[in-house]
Amino acid sequence: AQSVSQHNHHVILSEAASLELGCNYSYGGTVNLFWYVQYPGQHLQLLLKYFSGDPLVKGIKGFEAEFIKSKFSFNLRKPSVQWSDTAEYFCAVNEGSSNTGKLIFGQGTTLQVKP
Amino acid sequence: GAVVSQHPSRVICKSGTSVKIECRSLDFQATTMFWYRQFPKQSLMLMATSNEGSKATYEQGVEKDKFLINHASLTLSTLTVTSAHPEDSSFYICSAREETGIRGYTFGSGTRLTVV
Repeated sequence: AQSVSQHNHHVILSEAASLELGCNYSYGGTVNLFWYVQYPGQHLQLLLKYFSGDPLVKGIKGFEAEFIKSKFSFNLRKPSVQWSDTAEYFCAVNEGSSNTGKLIFGQGTTLQVKP
Repeated sequence: GAVVSQHPSRVICKSGTSVKIECRSLDFQATTMFWYRQFPKQSLMLMATSNEGSKATYEQGVEKDKFLINHASLTLSTLTVTSAHPEDSSFYICSAREETGIRGYTFGSGTRLTVV
């Protein structure tokens, strides 16, 4: 069965620090990859997604992620975080060849940015 | 952009009663909707896939008789928690996938269910 693993459960950074959140998945076929953010009290919002093409994907709010197929990874990065980036971050995967379309989520990473 | 409306946002009910949660896609048609459950400080666990005009597909371990799903139209799916118990208290989130798949997945704002 497909699974998604996020290695960092709780990350605390100071403003302007660089961020990298790890995400690995277990599925050997074609996948679509997503990063979602959930701000306190709000619903999930899409940060970025990868379907095909350039493995370096740029998303909203200065976030980017790199798909490394050989490592089954899709790590999220941001060069300089802001206090407003404090939120819960979820990596998600669905099988690209499947028409069921269900997303499988990682455990989530809580990011706390100190002003 | 695509919007999914989920209602109610919060509900408190007594043990043994049933609660219905609605999920509507406001500006697009969704042949497929998904229902997730999120425990505090944990990830979203997929409960079932709701297909318009057909039976829902439940994930392993999810009781279909307890969590009734109806997807009667291309813009509405409902989740009914039947005979609710305190252990059903959780945050329930729906997601809709636009028919062509281009827009991807849009999430509702969630429903906080508390069973007392």
